[in-house]
Amino acid sequence: DTAVSQTPKYLVTQMGNDKSIKCEQNLGHDTMYWYKQDSKKFLKIMFSYNNKELIINETVPNRFSPKSPDKAHLNLHINSLELGDSAVYFCASSQAGYTQYFGPGTRLTVL
Amino acid sequence: DQQVKQNSPSLSVQEGRISILNCDYTNSMFDYFLWYKKYPAEGPTFLISISSIKDKNEDGRFTVFLNKSAKHLSLHIVPSQPGDSAVYFCAALSNTGNQFYFGTGTSLTVIP
Repeated sequence: DTAVSQTPKYLVTQMGNDKSIKCEQNLGHDTMYWYKQDSKKFLKIMFSYNNKELIINETVPNRFSPKSPDKAHLNLHINSLELGDSAVYFCASSQAGYTQYFGPGTRLTVL
Repeated sequence: DQQVKQNSPSLSVQEGRISILNCDYTNSMFDYFLWYKKYPAEGPTFLISISSIKDKNEDGRFTVFLNKSAKHLSLHIVPSQPGDSAVYFCAALSNTGNQFYFGTGTSLTVIP
């Protein structure tokens, strides 16, 4: 009965590949987010969706494309992976923009 | 332009003593602040929050203090326990939207 789940937990891939990370929340929240935590441990928001609608799109390369089939899911697809994409990616959800609940993270390693 | 800063990357405290974690912010539009705790290989978990209309919020061993004029908040943990050893992130929410800004975290080690 995990509140926010992400798959996979670890992802190792070659440069140039395309990969997806899935996120699901069972909290009934309207808003979902993707964060990137880089090597400096800085948690930076990438995208935010509210009821399947994109509301925040920070300066992220267009190789990153979020997809929200319904308000319980927000998947992240990454095209043409680069070395600099290696990081931990966290999904989160919230209701009414307040306390966010995070998933366990996906550690992406690009070789 | 990091709008939320945690200038101490690490802190060590003896068990039973007080842990004080600090956070500074630059944006006066922030009106809601949160502390998250993160264990290795897990996502951040919500710990405690405070609205800008308050200057203190307490929950058990955890107290958050907000000094709006100094744009500073702090998390006090007393008494500290070894299980409190984790990375603590400060976060702020602007009243103009629902985007959270996170600090870089402070790694707390509570020594038994």
